[in-house]
Amino acid sequence: EAGVVQSPRYKIIEKKQPVAFWCNPISGHNTLYWYLQNLGQGPELLIRYENEEAVDDSQLPKDRFSAERLKGVDSTLKIQPAELGDSAVYLCASSLGVLAGANTGELFFGEGSRLTVL
Amino acid sequence: AQSVTQPDIHITVSEGASLELRCNYSYGATPYLFWYVQSPGQGLQLLLKYFSGDTLVQGIKGFEAEFKRSQSSFNLRKPSVHWSDAAEYFCAVGARGTDKLIFGTGTRLQVFP
Repeated sequence: EAGVVQSPRYKIIEKKQPVAFWCNPISGHNTLYWYLQNLGQGPELLIRYENEEAVDDSQLPKDRFSAERLKGVDSTLKIQPAELGDSAVYLCASSLGVLAGANTGELFFGEGSRLTVL
Repeated sequence: AQSVTQPDIHITVSEGASLELRCNYSYGATPYLFWYVQSPGQGLQLLLKYFSGDTLVQGIKGFEAEFKRSQSSFNLRKPSVHWSDAAEYFCAVGARGTDKLIFGTGTRLQVFP
């Protein structure tokens, strides 16, 4: 079974440029998460989707960050414009989800997209 | 509000030595508790989880953790560390009925031969 797939793995851009990250979750997983991981820190939730609905986006900086999950499968996370402080790893994760009756709480993570803003 | 504290930022052990990584949580009820491991450049992998029942849980790679309600702790242990265990370890707490996890800041484990 394929795991969570993210791309690109690495991205280097100059500040004020836009950037987008893509995530393909495990097949059948209803819940999708985007986490931000700064160097030396634990992951922090940016946004959580139940199918195509964003059910928790309280930590997403909406002035420059946006996300979508069309058709409830793949998701993209966009930053426009990027700032120096956005340099971090962006992790995507998926789970079967509470709505599916699978309240296991187990998240499956992709390898992450490492962003460097110069 | 839920929170997780991992008091040790960095731990160094010799290969073959025993290991204990500390985790304390704050939550109003009995939480779901998790330990994840992250190797350099990789995503997080679940080591073990506690939902209910036996407070000593076994995980992959020979790890175990013990839930102690009185101490609000969920410490991770391994009797004999291997060089391949060098990684970052994250404790996480989840609220029952949700899919939301709160992670600690992590403990970096170094293993010397």
